[in-house]
Amino acid sequence: GAGVSQSPSNKVTEKGKDVELRCDPISGHTALYWYRQSLGQGLEFLIYFQGNSAPDKSGLPSDRFSAERTGGSVSTLTIQRTQQEDSAVYLCASSPSPGTGFDEQYFGPGTRLTVT
Amino acid sequence: AQKITQTQPGMFVQEKEAVTLDCTYDTSDPSYGLFWYKQPSSGEMIFLIYQGSYDQQNATEGRYSLNFQKARKSANLVISASQLGDSAMYFCAMREGQGGGATNKLIFGTGTLLAVQP
Repeated sequence: GAGVSQSPSNKVTEKGKDVELRCDPISGHTALYWYRQSLGQGLEFLIYFQGNSAPDKSGLPSDRFSAERTGGSVSTLTIQRTQQEDSAVYLCASSPSPGTGFDEQYFGPGTRLTVT
Repeated sequence: AQKITQTQPGMFVQEKEAVTLDCTYDTSDPSYGLFWYKQPSSGEMIFLIYQGSYDQQNATEGRYSLNFQKARKSANLVISASQLGDSAMYFCAMREGQGGGATNKLIFGTGTLLAVQP
């Protein structure tokens, strides 16, 4: 079956511009996560959606970052007024039914964002 | 505060030999899960193995096994019979809580770059 997909795969933008990154989770997965991976670093949690519950936004680094998930499926991560330090790979993951012990997160291929 | 530490930035291993990648963690939650992911140069994150904090036995998945020492808060990954295709970045990660209500976010270490030599 289809895995997690993300678009675009690469995005180059000028400092100060807004960008939108899209994530299509695996069909039927109720949980969706956004992570950021800066060059040579591990993954940093950004935000988590689970069903109709309020999202866990505790990882968003500033108010320039926001995300939404429409219809419990597709999610969009928006970065306003981009800065050079926002350059990273943004990874999306989904999982079928968290809260039952083992919960594997399936990752998408990521969007590489470069802010010039 | 929850934290994952991987002290080996890079490791070399000869093909067909075993290698251990270190991971220590810190959490005050008695219920947690530990994960290992592989990230090849192509960038995708590939799940390898999982260990729950209440699991009595060390997890194994094919050539991967997890040496779980709860008292030491360590969860080292052992790869047996290394193959050239094992060359990649390896990340240890932790999720606090295992029941309903847990946020399920993963906290990652900084990774270990493994190079398998022929």
